Amino acid sequence: AQTVTQSQPEMSVQEAETVTLSCTYDTSESNYYLFWYKQPPSRQMILVIRQEAYKQQNATENRFSVNFQKAAKSFSLKISDSQLGDTAMYFCAFMKPWGNQGGKLIFGQGTELSVKP
Amino acid sequence: GAGVSQSPRYKVAKRGQDVALRCDPISGHVSLFWYQQALGQGPEFLTYFQNEAQLDKSGLPSDRFFAERPEGSVSTLKIQRTQQEDSAVYLCASSLASGTGGDAFFGQGTRLTVV
Repeated sequence: AQTVTQSQPEMSVQEAETVTLSCTYDTSESNYYLFWYKQPPSRQMILVIRQEAYKQQNATENRFSVNFQKAAKSFSLKISDSQLGDTAMYFCAFMKPWGNQGGKLIFGQGTELSVKP
Repeated sequence: GAGVSQSPRYKVAKRGQDVALRCDPISGHVSLFWYQQALGQGPEFLTYFQNEAQLDKSGLPSDRFFAERPEGSVSTLKIQRTQQEDSAVYLCASSLASGTGGDAFFGQGTRLTVV
């Protein structure tokens, strides 16, 4: 069974600075997807960034980037130039590929990020 | 619709009462997922539909939980004889059948409180 662990329940960062959120996972699969989702107080999960395990290049979306270390089963999220609107709960998630009972997401317990002015 | 819509946003039920939670997925999305999110926790998978077929219900915690999607669009999650441990946010997500990973779009959830 796959598991996802986020060891930082809470983090804070000053506006405009950089912060890194950690995530580790466990799986015996060789191909899979990893995600970071943001959940603001409105409760709606918003996809931040996606990484395909067979791609060695780390994914980047504007101010968000990941450090994907497949051998170490580590998947951290770096937020650059933090903004007040980044304040939210962040979840790391794992997904097996489609066609193999895939599609369902396995989430970590979340990291609550506060961006301070 | 423009996004995944869930109703009601909030539901308070007395213990033992039956509840029904509704999810309207994005038009054309074949896949639909239900998740349960306890307070301060990450969401946990409940069940998955591809069109009207329920392909995976391994996450349903008990036989009091039942989900359906009879016409392959709107889905209803029903909880019979609610218990206090059922209090949680119930999230619905939909995605295109092609599912290249991460295509899941979430609704805002229904917060169920059992008193």
